[in-house]
Amino acid sequence: SQTIHQWPATLVQPVGSPLSLECTVEGTSNPNLYWYRQAAGRGLQLLFYSVGIGQISSEVPQNLSASRPQDRQFILSSKKLLLSDSGFYLCAWLPLDQKNYGYTFGSGTRLTVV
Amino acid sequence: GDSVTQMEGPVTLSEEAFLTINCTYTATGYPSLFWYVQYPGEGLQLLLKATKADDKGSNKGFEATYRKETTSFHLEKGSVQVSDSAVYFCALGEGDYKLSFGAGTTVTVRA
Repeated sequence: SQTIHQWPATLVQPVGSPLSLECTVEGTSNPNLYWYRQAAGRGLQLLFYSVGIGQISSEVPQNLSASRPQDRQFILSSKKLLLSDSGFYLCAWLPLDQKNYGYTFGSGTRLTVV
Repeated sequence: GDSVTQMEGPVTLSEEAFLTINCTYTATGYPSLFWYVQYPGEGLQLLLKATKADDKGSNKGFEATYRKETTSFHLEKGSVQVSDSAVYFCALGEGDYKLSFGAGTTVTVRA
């Protein structure tokens, strides 16, 4: 079966520290992968998406970056966190053969920058 | 670009009440439409979807009909339960397989 794993579940980091969030998908090949952020009490903002290894599209300018070193691995990073980076980060995937845009989301990482 | 506008909350209801959450969209083509649900502390789950005009999506007692003439995809449930307390997101599928989400509507059902 197809599953998506996201970790860690919660993270508290000081301002200026680095960040690495990881997302992996099992049971499928060549998925489209996405990183979304949900700020407290707000909607979802698409940060990055990837249609293949090494292919990253950025939706908003920010101090975050994304990488896809393997087919089913998607990493969200920052060299220096800001207070405004706090939020709930969600990874999602879409198989290539599913044309109805039905994302499957991970369980999310709650990041608090202090 | 393509976008969705969703009824703002929060919405507070009593058990067995009727729930409606309005969602309208703007699109140049013929997008797919979705409702997602987010239970407290969890990620989003696909609740239902419709891929063309007049399609009706349904799941767990929830329904939504893709109305091209009114560009709407309103979510309804006839009798809500406490377990339906969650945040509901309307979403629209764009080119390149990206979804645009509404701001979310927080629903609280009281016993």
